[in-house]
Amino acid sequence: AQKITQTQPGMFVQEKEAVTLDCTYDTSDQSYGLFWYKQPSSGEMIFLIYQGSYDEQNATEGRYSLNFQKARKSANLVISASQLGDSAMYFCAMRETNNAGNMLTFGGGTRLMVKP
Amino acid sequence: DAEITQSPRHKITETGRQVTLACHQTWNHNNMFWYRQDLGHGLRLIHYSYGVQDTNKGEVSDGYSVSRSNTEDLPLTLESAASSQTSVYFCASSESVIPYEQYFGPGTRLTVT
Repeated sequence: AQKITQTQPGMFVQEKEAVTLDCTYDTSDQSYGLFWYKQPSSGEMIFLIYQGSYDEQNATEGRYSLNFQKARKSANLVISASQLGDSAMYFCAMRETNNAGNMLTFGGGTRLMVKP
Repeated sequence: DAEITQSPRHKITETGRQVTLACHQTWNHNNMFWYRQDLGHGLRLIHYSYGVQDTNKGEVSDGYSVSRSNTEDLPLTLESAASSQTSVYFCASSESVIPYEQYFGPGTRLTVT
């Protein structure tokens, strides 16, 4: 079974609008972490935001926020006021503690395209 | 500034040849990882290391090996390159404390002909 599922292969959003990228996860751990990374066309992986499983508040970093719904096992990324530079691949990843360390498992990604 | 570098950035090799991809980090991180990225699969873990002399297999380790002789470097070796190993390879390192955020290198595009 997929541990990280991103159901949206591609999405369009109008510039200046908000967009939500979906991510659901599967784990039996009580302690885990969820990450979002951005990969622009240049190829590098850029860390965006982190949510720990025990964090009571949703994480926010500038225009990025993570809508964490623990009971539903979802960790959606919300980008507010989209910019053309937000066009990229976005990956959700999970770190579990029962795998002898801090490896990340990645989802298949969502390609976001921002329209002017 | 601390960084993580990979070399070469692009490599073309022939089936059956041995290839080594270099990864060097100046973050002084104990944890280092190798991933491959293929269309539709996101990133998949090949090998990882939690310190000098420590190496572990990841999800897709067949045909790959790593060694860790110092903190800074984790070279990835393809013992006998196969066309199925054509991919983009990313090296990453992380701290040993929460949140264990991983810092990625720029990637190496490997083509096996």
